[in-house]
Amino acid sequence: GAGVSQSPSNKVTEKGKDVELRCDPISGHTALYWYRQSLGQGLEFLIYFQGNSAPDKSGLPSDRFSAERTGGSVSTLTIQRTQQEDSAVYLCASITEIAGANTGELFFGEGSRLTVL
Amino acid sequence: GNSVTQMEGPVTLSEEAFLTINCTYTATGYPSLFWYVQYPGEGLQLLLKATKADDKGSNKGFEATYRKETTSFHLEKGSVQVSDSAVYFCALRGTSYGKLTFGQGTILTVHP
Repeated sequence: GAGVSQSPSNKVTEKGKDVELRCDPISGHTALYWYRQSLGQGLEFLIYFQGNSAPDKSGLPSDRFSAERTGGSVSTLTIQRTQQEDSAVYLCASITEIAGANTGELFFGEGSRLTVL
Repeated sequence: GNSVTQMEGPVTLSEEAFLTINCTYTATGYPSLFWYVQYPGEGLQLLLKATKADDKGSNKGFEATYRKETTSFHLEKGSVQVSDSAVYFCALRGTSYGKLTFGQGTILTVHP
């Protein structure tokens, strides 16, 4: 597609329910990120996928959070047993990594706004 | 670990005023530095970047200079417009692969 696509754009759920957020990156991009944007907290790194390498999961806040990237393309972020503090906008971004070049130009989707009641 | 600190907002200016948004960083080695912008209702997008010390990134009238001696990458614009109203994020990346570390974001509002 022309850009990074995320779904759903808005999700309201009850505390304790599981949610899945989907990201379709730009075709051909080798790397994919998930970030979380909370009011007043900036962008919090969650996870990074690069090609066939093991993902960098260092930003996942708890074991309730997991993510996968199937076929090197679409990614799903899953939050189990949601809590009110999980309420935030979840952003996906993709990039084509070029060996030896630190381009750093991430292409972001518009995000999935999660509200946990 | 790497970290980025931005001046706290919100920043409110009149049209044609001079803008500075401060950004300082902590990192080992020689990171690349970035400014991203998020316009209302849109996704984040890269505004400008600098990949080595003393480089100046520029775009849309905005500039920022990579100052290794002061570990800073302040964003400036000589004359802001209403259309510049947005949230601005400073970011760094320590290696060719891996995460970008973002600052807290600064909300800029420009009034006519």
